[in-house]
Amino acid sequence: DAGVIQSPRHEVTEMGQEVTLRCKPISGHDYLFWYRQTMMRGLELLIYFNNNVPIDDSGMPEDRFSAKMPNASFSTLKIQPSEPRDSAVYFCASRSNEKLFFGSGTQLSVL
Amino acid sequence: DQQVKQNSPSLSVQEGRISILNCDYTNSMFDYFLWYKKYPAEGPTFLISISSIKDKNEDGRFTVFLNKSAKHLSLHIVPSQPGDSAVYFCASLFANYKLSFGAGTTVTVRA
Repeated sequence: DAGVIQSPRHEVTEMGQEVTLRCKPISGHDYLFWYRQTMMRGLELLIYFNNNVPIDDSGMPEDRFSAKMPNASFSTLKIQPSEPRDSAVYFCASRSNEKLFFGSGTQLSVL
Repeated sequence: DQQVKQNSPSLSVQEGRISILNCDYTNSMFDYFLWYKKYPAEGPTFLISISSIKDKNEDGRFTVFLNKSAKHLSLHIVPSQPGDSAVYFCASLFANYKLSFGAGTTVTVRA
């Protein structure tokens, strides 16, 4: 099993541009999570899906952030427009029982 | 509102000795506690978990202890190896989906 796959690994963009982060969860896992890691706030949950349906998006910082899961093997996190304070590492994770398995993350830098 | 706290940002230990990482929590309603290990530029990797109804779980060199009366969790690594040098996060699982992470403890194993 290849694990949770995220792309791109690194993204550098300019303020105001649209950014799309991608995630392929582990096959058979029915929960998918998007986390953001910053120095100030550590690992914080943005949104999670169960069976492709968004269940809790209370962690999404503002309307500039949106996430979709069109099928069981793909999810996107979009930021439009991006701002410098969005710079962070974004992790996708999928779940089996109590264990979350994380991707390698996308390092986002908004200039 | 950080429900899980790791009060030691760093720990340095001699190779072969025991590493003890500590974690405190506030909410008694957690279902599971988990420990994750993170190397730079990688996603957190699941290490070991413990159900809230148990007080000890052991897996090889790793043992997690849960003291419910003190609301305290600890991870013991023995013997410590150079490859154990990483950031360790404790996390609590609540309502079967909400994983809250501590701020992390950076472990350095000295040769």
